[in-house]
Order: sequence, then structure tokens, then C-alpha cells
Amino acid sequence: DIVLTQSPGTLSLSPGERGTLSCRASQSVTSNYIAWYQQKGGQPPRLLIYAASSRATGISDRFSGSGSGTDFTLTISRLEPEDSAVYFCQQYHTSPFTFGPGTKVDLK
Amino acid sequence: QVQLQESGPGLVKPSETLSLNCLVSNASIIGPDWWTWVRQSPGKGLEWIGEIYHTGTTNYNPSLNSRLTISVDKSKSHFSLRLTSVSAADTAVYYCARRRIRVGHATLLLGLDYWGQGALVTVSS
Repeated sequence: DIVLTQSPGTLSLSPGERGTLSCRASQSVTSNYIAWYQQKGGQPPRLLIYAASSRATGISDRFSGSGSGTDFTLTISRLEPEDSAVYFCQQYHTSPFTFGPGTKVDLK
Repeated sequence: QVQLQESGPGLVKPSETLSLNCLVSNASIIGPDWWTWVRQSPGKGLEWIGEIYHTGTTNYNPSLNSRLTISVDKSKSHFSLRLTSVSAADTAVYYCARRRIRVGHATLLLGLDYWGQGALVTVSS
């Protein structure tokens, strides 16, 4: 299985700051099929980014994804209070389609 | 707006079988997409369970393979999860989701773009 490691575990930032979340894979992810999801308390995850860098429909341009191979990044520019959530990455090319453990973003 | 809705018992006894349905609305279950189950144990991360294509082809997580069956009923636009011999470790919120496939001059995989609200299943006697 491809193991995904996310860092940091928790990110505490102030509104207006930039947040950088990392997702590292134990082996290269074919075609960079990495997705990022946002999950708020009691809600299902919401797709933010697919194929490492493409924004899903309706997602703010404050969210951007980058990376290739084994190292991927989700950047949230100009953090807003509503961005407080847990963010998960997932590789979805090689079954089983594993998720990372998540990064919790706290707004101070 | 595509909608998915899980349904099924919220309480299952140890060693018995967990069964859930996912009703798909405003989307055709017959298409390029795959239909997926994901679970999340209380306070924990996400675990991919498996998926099914409208033809009945399945793809399971090997960690659950021996206990898992995912099926599809195209006439009712729903797909189902069946997990046998459950234990407390199977207590989780179970989500169904669509793994979107965009077919054009090239096929593009878009990830899990629509999710149900989730169904909490507790395994307890």
C-alpha cells in the first residue's frame, strides 16, 4: 500500500496568513493523482484539489495544490476563519486508495 | 446537484453483519464513475473501504477483502455495503461517495467529488 504522511499535525495561524500543508507518499504517485479534502466537524470531506493541482468546482482560488512524484503541497493563502478544519490528502491511482492522517488547521 | 444518502441500522452486534445502502440522486449510476465506500472511526482519519462500477466490477481494500461485499442495483440507483463478522473496530461513520471520472480525448480521474452525509454504525452488544 502507498502510505501517505502529512505534516504538520496541527497548524496554528492567524487570519490573513498563508498556510502550507505537506503530504509525502511512500512511493511515487502515478500521474500525480493526489486529492486534497477539507473536513469540518460533523461533516463529510469536501474535495478541494484533484490531480495534485486542479481546483474542484466552486473552490476558492485561495486554495492551490502543487507537487509531483512523492511530495505534494496544499497552500491556503490569506487564511479566513472558515478555513479552520482538518485537511486530508488521498492518492487515488493505486488501489487501495489511501488517505493521509490529516493536518488540523487552527485559526488563532 | 448530485446527492448520495446512506441508510441502514445504526447498531450492529459483534460477529454479525453490517449492511448499508447508498441511494444516488441526480446522477446516473451507469456511467464512467465509480461508487465508493469510506469510513472514519470516531476521532480518527479516513479509511478507503472499496468501490464498485455499474457493471459490478469491484475493487476492495485488502484489509477488509475477506469480509466485504459491495454490490450495485442499477434499477434502484443504489449501491450497497456488506461487512461480515464485525467487531468494535468496525465502529465508524460510513460514507458513500462518487469517484468522478472525466472521459474526453483523455481520461481524467477527479477524486471523490460528492459524498453522503455519513451513517454512524456502532458495533456493540
